Amino acid sequence: EPEVTQTPSHQVTQMGQEVILRCVPISNHLYFYWYRQILGQKVEFLVSFYNNEISEKSEIFDDQFSVERPDGSNFTLKIRSTKLEDSAMYFCASSSELSDEQFFGPGTRLTVL
Amino acid sequence: AQKITQTQPGMFVQEKEAVTLDCTYDTSDPSYGLFWYKQPSSGEMIFLIYQGSYDQQNATEGRYSLNFQKARKSANLVISASQLGDSAMYFCAMRVPGRRALTFGSGTRLQVQP
Repeated sequence: EPEVTQTPSHQVTQMGQEVILRCVPISNHLYFYWYRQILGQKVEFLVSFYNNEISEKSEIFDDQFSVERPDGSNFTLKIRSTKLEDSAMYFCASSSELSDEQFFGPGTRLTVL
Repeated sequence: AQKITQTQPGMFVQEKEAVTLDCTYDTSDPSYGLFWYKQPSSGEMIFLIYQGSYDQQNATEGRYSLNFQKARKSANLVISASQLGDSAMYFCAMRVPGRRALTFGSGTRLQVQP
């Protein structure tokens, strides 16, 4: 069964450093998303991406964040100058045009020290 | 703005019993979709069930069913015949037309006891 994959599973970085989280969505899906979940809290939407551009973003998704689809398979989230409060689990998800169901990846746990 | 409320931070159920996890929602859109996801301790988010606001029947998927009461704006998840592997966090979420973003509730931690 096709699935969303994410790398790395765990990333540790120093405050102020840049990180790139990588995702490979399901191959025939056209909508891609990033969500985050601070430990013990609910899942929060960050951004959605369609047709090579951001289609929707939350107020969390400020200038510190950017997304990119550098090739036909990868979807990345870049966080510039990480802050302690960026420590969270980051989930990538994808969906097709035909269904509302969003398939989530296993997540990347980001720890900012 | 959309809002999802899950009022049960934690629930216990005996193995083989049924359990209902509560979810209420608030939206002014007449058309919306409601989702339930399971998050085991390993952290991944597993889709369980979906209910569209115009669906005539309550959604069912195996041991999962959704008790959808539109007038009360509730979409409770019912798990029948609980298994030890059902122990996890459960999140209710909503999507409205024109937006792809899912709005999640705060979750309910279910523990199934032998």
